[in-house]
Amino acid sequence: EVQLVESGGGLVQPGGSLRLSCAASGFTLSDHYMHWVRQAPGKGLEWVGLTRNKAYSYTTEYAASVKGRFTISRDDVKNSLFLQMSSLKIEDTAVYYCTRDQGVVGVPGAWGQGTLVTVSS
Amino acid sequence: AIQMTQSPSSLSASVGDRVTITCRASQGVRNDLGWYQQKPGKAPKLLIYAASSLQSGVPLRFSGSGSGTDFTLTISSLQPEDFATYYCLQDYNYPVTFGQGTKLEI
Repeated sequence: EVQLVESGGGLVQPGGSLRLSCAASGFTLSDHYMHWVRQAPGKGLEWVGLTRNKAYSYTTEYAASVKGRFTISRDDVKNSLFLQMSSLKIEDTAVYYCTRDQGVVGVPGAWGQGTLVTVSS
Repeated sequence: AIQMTQSPSSLSASVGDRVTITCRASQGVRNDLGWYQQKPGKAPKLLIYAASSLQSGVPLRFSGSGSGTDFTLTISSLQPEDFATYYCLQDYNYPVTFGQGTKLEI
């Protein structure tokens, strides 16, 4: 069974940094594209970025709103995905979801339960 | 970035109704489109991928169609558990973009 469990959320001041982790199990992480998606309180879903699989050299893509501030990385040996967030803004406040591709196509298929990041002074 | 526009933004319906939600892309996305269901406080759930392929475990009353710029999600006979918010997503190119959501209410 595919499982994704995020951790690392919390309260951080504007301009601060935070690192989210996602523990993956039930599949081989290196075979899959992995996305981060966020949802601000009461708002819709926003794609944050992705890391491609090993076959595509783990290359990354980011939303314009986070490019240059957020970095996605992965440790396939530890079956973990990471989101390093820096220069955080109030508008980065959201629940952050770790997702795995559907398997046949790249759209997010399996989702974690999410972790809340609150950026506030 | 490709804009995904859903309509309607909200919809009132009854159990047993047939419901259609549409998603329009600002430029062609082939069939690189997914549909998601989200209930309050829960993570989204993938219903449809590649515009018309039913994700494993999803009830047959859900179906998707379309290609290029115009897509639809149809629920053939609404069940009580279907009242939720629905989102479309394109991954034809980057950045991946979601529609703004359609809230389906009783």
